[in-house]
This record gives sequence, C-alpha cells and structure tokens, in this order.
Amino acid sequence: RKEVEQDPGPFNVPEGATVAFNCTYSNSASQSFFWYRQDCRKEPKLLMSVYSSGNEDGRFTAQLNRASQYISLLIRDSKLSDSATYLCVVSPQGGKLIFGQGTELSVKP
Amino acid sequence: NAGVMQNPRHLVRRRGQEARLRCSPMKGHSHVYWYRQLPEEGLKFMVYLQKENIIDESGMPKERFSAEFPKEGPSILRIQQVVRGDSAAYFCASSPEGLVYEQYFGPGTRLTVT
Repeated sequence: RKEVEQDPGPFNVPEGATVAFNCTYSNSASQSFFWYRQDCRKEPKLLMSVYSSGNEDGRFTAQLNRASQYISLLIRDSKLSDSATYLCVVSPQGGKLIFGQGTELSVKP
Repeated sequence: NAGVMQNPRHLVRRRGQEARLRCSPMKGHSHVYWYRQLPEEGLKFMVYLQKENIIDESGMPKERFSAEFPKEGPSILRIQQVVRGDSAAYFCASSPEGLVYEQYFGPGTRLTVT
C-alpha cells in the first residue's frame, strides 16, 4: 500500500465548476499535511497547509480527518489557471515530505 | 531574495559516468532536502541535510548515490556510474531554521542518461 494515495486523474471540468480531491495516508503518526501544486512537472509549490479544524484560502478549502486518515481539497469557481497537478503531501516528522502521485486537473473554457 | 537555485538545469550523461547536481538554498536557510521524480511518478524524498550533517538519508539508494552540504558552498548530490534508471528530475528544497515543513523548491535538474 502506498503511504499517500490520491484520486486518479485526470479531472476535466468547465470553468466555474467546483471540484474536490481526496487523499488518504497510511501512517497514523503523521504530523503535518499539505496540498502542493505542480505545473507541467516544474517545481512543486505550496498551495496550503491542512489543519484538523479545516482551513480556507479564497476559493480553496482543505479538510483533515485524522481518525479516517483522510485529506481533501475543494476548489470552488475553478479558473483556467487552476489547471495543474495537485499533490497531497504528508510529513511523519523531521522535515521529510511524502508526496502522493498527484491528481491532474484540467479546467476548460 | 533569490529563491532556491539549482544547476545545471539539464544534464546529459552516458551510462557509467558521474553526475553532480548542485543546490544553493535560499538566503538564511540552513536545511536542504533532495527529492527525485521519475517519469510518470510522484516525488520521492531522498535525503535531508544541514550544514556538514546528514540528518535523514532514508530515501537514498544504498549504492552510487551520495549527498553533502559543506560549511561553505552549495549542497551536492552525486550519482556515480549512472544508469538509465537514474533519468529523472531531481528537486532540491530548503527551509529556515526551526521550520522544517516550510520547504521552498528549486526549479530542478533534469538528468538524462543515454
């Protein structure tokens, strides 16, 4: 079993749509959780950290359920510029980041 | 404030040669991490270093790979006797003291082994 598993893509959605990505992780001792974005296999960029209480940044909402070991990302009113691969990232401790395979999103006009 | 710098951006090596990848962290950052992304796969952690110390090398292949972060100069990821399976994008990240999860990534070095 992979340490971090994500929905397989690609997701093809029209502009303005709401899209949700899911992720599960296997290590219950994991301490920190993030969503990164990667464009065309360039360097990954931090989109947002994920907290148990849930957090929102503009059109993006992230949720963490520690009991189920489940992380989600919701994108509302999607834009063409949201097209990218979204990476679910978990860190057990000490700075090591464990990346999921990524889910590709393509937003069409 | 310049970001994380990596060079070269593209590197072509023949099988059996050595590859040296360099990473200069962001100014003020004392932690460096190396990750590898094989074609069609996700990023995989390789090694975490501080100045003159290897903190976690649990993701490094047992043979041919080594990394260092000397007191002066960039961090170096060295691959000896490269094979075709080493072809990948190698990303370096850095973080400030005390904030190991706040990692900023460089543009990567794309290694092609022919």
